[in-house]
Amino acid sequence: RKEVEQDPGPFNVPEGATVAFNCTYSNSASQSFFWYRQDCRKEPKLLMSVYSSGNEDGRFTAQLNRASQYISLLIRDSKLSDSATYLCVVNMRGYGGSQGNLIFGKGTKLSVKP
Amino acid sequence: DVKVTQSSRYLVKRTGEKVFLECVQDMDHENMFWYRQDPGLGLRLIYFSYDVKMKEKGDIPEGYSVSREKKERFSLILESASTNQTSMYLCASGPYSNQPQHFGDGTRLSIL
Repeated sequence: RKEVEQDPGPFNVPEGATVAFNCTYSNSASQSFFWYRQDCRKEPKLLMSVYSSGNEDGRFTAQLNRASQYISLLIRDSKLSDSATYLCVVNMRGYGGSQGNLIFGKGTKLSVKP
Repeated sequence: DVKVTQSSRYLVKRTGEKVFLECVQDMDHENMFWYRQDPGLGLRLIYFSYDVKMKEKGDIPEGYSVSREKKERFSLILESASTNQTSMYLCASGPYSNQPQHFGDGTRLSIL
């Protein structure tokens, strides 16, 4: 069964706060993991890929835990401009074609307040 | 930068009409996708294509068809539009099925 689950939120945090999102996935054979950002009434945009060893891009850190089948996104020093919905995306083998396909979570809404 | 262009940002059609949504990508990607996005339901895959003239059903293909006659163009067709097809439609493309997809701006379609 293909499934990617996220806490829908909303997460309401003050500027400067650190916030973490988690996402669980059901298919242990998944090999590709991403975080997307979607602003209100806009298209989703790739925020970062998630690598096995974990990776960082400025204030954003992504982690992968294969044993527990979850990925996380940490945002430090939150800015007003970080307000958006964050989508967890996982490649699901056996879902369309030999390499599988991407499954998008429903997203976690973040609102950063002054 | 990858550019995925959808033909319309906003579209209003009537029940029973045949509706065409067009999508063009400029990165020579093999894979193209059509999704719809509704509040609380997230992105749902309608159809996708791995190659010219090739198509595969996604999770919710009923009431839709697609056409891919050229590599860069992927069209979504609503055969007979119904009010429950009012939604945001998003086209995406990607080099491989397990690699990031790049989205167009979306078409907000209203069926009256």
